[in-house]
Amino acid sequence: DAKTTQPNSMESNEEEPVHLPCNHSTISGTDYIHWYRQLPSQGPEYVIHGLTSNVNNRMASLAIAEDRKSSTLILHRATLRDAAVYYCILRDNNAGNMLTFGGGTRLMVKP
Amino acid sequence: DTGVSQDPRHKITKRGQNVTFRCDPISEHNRLYWYRQTLGQGPEFLTYFQNEAQLEKSRLLSDRFSAERPKGSFSTLEIQRTEQGDSAMYLCASSHRLAGVGNEQFFGPGTRLTVL
Repeated sequence: DAKTTQPNSMESNEEEPVHLPCNHSTISGTDYIHWYRQLPSQGPEYVIHGLTSNVNNRMASLAIAEDRKSSTLILHRATLRDAAVYYCILRDNNAGNMLTFGGGTRLMVKP
Repeated sequence: DTGVSQDPRHKITKRGQNVTFRCDPISEHNRLYWYRQTLGQGPEFLTYFQNEAQLEKSRLLSDRFSAERPKGSFSTLEIQRTEQGDSAMYLCASSHRLAGVGNEQFFGPGTRLTVL
């Protein structure tokens, strides 16, 4: 799987929007962009995924650059419960079923 | 709540002992995955089952590790002759074959193994 690069950590204030960046300059045409997050002492949980177009769901929005070499996960109003490690993962749907996690971004939310 | 469950949640063992972990996936999920996570790192893939067939194994899965899913439902992960380097969180996840391209994986809470 192609590699992703994320900042090690970010801080946000409660109830403000958060933009979590991910660079994936070697992304291939068949790679989907997935985001998972891991709250303290829990297993990872799915957040959102996309291929080319921006995506919205109840948890977050995913903005994908036109050249697909970067993407941004957007939390519209951060809450204390959003404090977690956020992982950006590229997954080729044709190449296997595992998820290849990097180091992720640790998001800290201040009240 | 009928999420993925794992047992035990914590296991402390002495080096050289064998340990076995169990994972119960979400009902009707035919895909099951094992991952390992060490402190400060993201999870690393170990192995994957579709129904009872073990279809993928990582090079991380040494000969001391064996996983089974005998009836395509629950799965066990056994580590023989444990070493201190095996200390980690062992995560299980499941997904449905018909989930589509997202193939969202649902993770359990993990089993934390400490080898003394």
